[in-house]
Amino acid sequence: NAGVTQTPKFQVLKTGQSMTLQCAQDMNHEYMSWYRQDPGMGLRLIHYSVGAGITDQGEVPNGYNVSRSTTEDFPLRLLSAAPSQTSVYFCASSYVTSSYNEQFFGPGTRLTVL
Amino acid sequence: KQEVTQIPAALSVPEGENLVLNCSFTDSAIYNLQWFRQDPGKGLTSLLLIQSSQREQTSGRLNASLDKSSGRSTLYIAASQPGDSATYLCAVDEGEDSNYQLIWGAGTKLIIKP
Repeated sequence: NAGVTQTPKFQVLKTGQSMTLQCAQDMNHEYMSWYRQDPGMGLRLIHYSVGAGITDQGEVPNGYNVSRSTTEDFPLRLLSAAPSQTSVYFCASSYVTSSYNEQFFGPGTRLTVL
Repeated sequence: KQEVTQIPAALSVPEGENLVLNCSFTDSAIYNLQWFRQDPGKGLTSLLLIQSSQREQTSGRLNASLDKSSGRSTLYIAASQPGDSATYLCAVDEGEDSNYQLIWGAGTKLIIKP
């Protein structure tokens, strides 16, 4: 059971380039999320999904796209990278019941945009 | 809009001391509250989850309490060790109304001095 996996661990992009951050989970969780973490700030939600084929925007969605074609995978696409997108990106998946919601996190992707 | 605050932002104590980390939130209508640990350059590890109907949870030397009426949670660490050095984050879940997404504090960076 690998939990939540993310690739790559590190990435350097030039302004205007595009790329996809990969996220996968093997726990059969319906809920998945993407966050960014910047120094001195808490995690901010970018996009989330409540199941395959269903996605929605979080607090800071601009410049990012997501899709959820399978339960296991939830890739995050940067359309045209900007220096403001330099950050650490975390993917999470959740086990949710009527009284319980616990999130599990991947190890993160550290992205630098020059 | 729910806001989560953690004070202090940083804390340094000698090894062996008992300590308390604070988390406050502005709207008491929460579903869960979760405490996480983050080591430098690493992902987030869930420590304790308190459901809205509970007042506390314990795991080893850690005890988390929840007082919804006052909008506060505390994480108590007994007999602190250098290995406890990390950033501790709390996150509030507002349940179905927010699609079970978490709202985060900025964290408390804890340093335990040998």
